Amino acid sequence: ETGVTQSPTHLIKTRGQQVTLRCSSQSGHNTVSWYQQALGQGPQFIFQYYREEENGRGNFPPRFSGLQFPNYSSELNVNALELDDSALYLCASSLPDRNTGELFFGEGSRLTVL
Amino acid sequence: DAKTTQPPSMDCAEGRAANLPCNHSTISGNEYVYWYRQIHSQGPQYIIHGLKNNETNEMASLIITEDRKSSTLILPHATLRDTAVYYCIVPNRNNFNKFYFGSGTKLNVKP
Repeated sequence: ETGVTQSPTHLIKTRGQQVTLRCSSQSGHNTVSWYQQALGQGPQFIFQYYREEENGRGNFPPRFSGLQFPNYSSELNVNALELDDSALYLCASSLPDRNTGELFFGEGSRLTVL
Repeated sequence: DAKTTQPPSMDCAEGRAANLPCNHSTISGNEYVYWYRQIHSQGPQYIIHGLKNNETNEMASLIITEDRKSSTLILPHATLRDTAVYYCIVPNRNNFNKFYFGSGTKLNVKP
């Protein structure tokens, strides 16, 4: 139990639709990162938010966007869904401390695009 | 991130020590080595991390070679619940929380 909660846990969308995934970070953690994990692969970094600003982005197109709120919770938005967007989306919270930079992951939101 | 190389899979008998290797020959002097694991359908879980010295906690031990080009995660008494994918990660020192997970090692603990 990491204290990071994600919603919804499962959802099904069709191509072209838009989706919003939500993440509540562990208490006191001001940094939230989002990862995409396709079936059989390791998680891939999408982007990170620190104090409501994007702080690093992986190799994902602009239709993947995010927000972080003053309470440090976060949203991941994906527009114009494609079949390849089907994956487990993981949120991780952390403190930007280089000595103990653990990531605390939620259980993920599993998105299926039909 | 410093590139890491791990075997795709390993087997271990229940109750025996599981030794999971990782090569990170391009690691920089001040970059840490992190280990995470992911049990099926769950989010990754932090195990341990280290810089130069060997580290031990309640879950595992981490042995880092003197030249820091490789490390070994040791689960001293593996149980069936340790069956998971184990990831060795060396985060970029300039973007510390951007972790590159790679494919990891699937550890199968067998009765």
